[in-house]
Amino acid sequence: GAVVSQHPSWVICKSGTSVKIECRSLDFQATTMFWYRQFPKQSLMLMATSNEGSKATYEQGVEKDKFLINHASLTLSTLTVTSAHPEDSSFYICSARDWSRGNTEAFFGQGTRLTVV
Amino acid sequence: AQSVTQPDIHITVSEGASLELRCNYSYGATPYLFWYVQSPGQGLQLLLKYFSGDTLVQGIKGFEAEFKRSQSSFNLRKPSVHWSDAAEYFCAVDPNQAGTALIFGKGTTLSVSS
Repeated sequence: GAVVSQHPSWVICKSGTSVKIECRSLDFQATTMFWYRQFPKQSLMLMATSNEGSKATYEQGVEKDKFLINHASLTLSTLTVTSAHPEDSSFYICSARDWSRGNTEAFFGQGTRLTVV
Repeated sequence: AQSVTQPDIHITVSEGASLELRCNYSYGATPYLFWYVQSPGQGLQLLLKYFSGDTLVQGIKGFEAEFKRSQSSFNLRKPSVHWSDAAEYFCAVDPNQAGTALIFGKGTTLSVSS
């Protein structure tokens, strides 16, 4: 099946610094990718929809200036957590759908565990 | 309001026993329906999906799910649970059948006792 690779798998950063998370579709082109956030023992909450070559669409309540999304190519979307604070610590997961397969399945990255200290 | 409901937060099943995890959705039209499994600290693995046609769908690892339009349900089943099935299970929908983001239920934690 299609593969979505997310990097890094985990990261620890100091409060006030920025962290970039990459999401790549390895064997298909993804014009649209999705970023989710998952708190411990909770569900995945959609943060934003990343569109190749245009601005991301953020869900209500998600700070655009804190969570910067860039989708510069058909295989790469990045999420940058700016000026990170401990409350930003979470599990972040990206997803992409493969239009060539009829867009009927969403593929997920393995997730990134962010810890802000 | 549009939603995906998984009524059971935590279920414990004896190894070898049958399993059913419930999922109900509230959308105007029948959405695309999915079940995913997540092991601790890991990403999501697709178990099965329903778009149309036969309402009983077979998935990986011996799982199956049945779509019931009248009940707006898409329950996941397995006839005999293995200890390795212990994980978090998420029901998800694509409400618009348009390749948009999936909307997830809150998840059900499955524990397997010996």
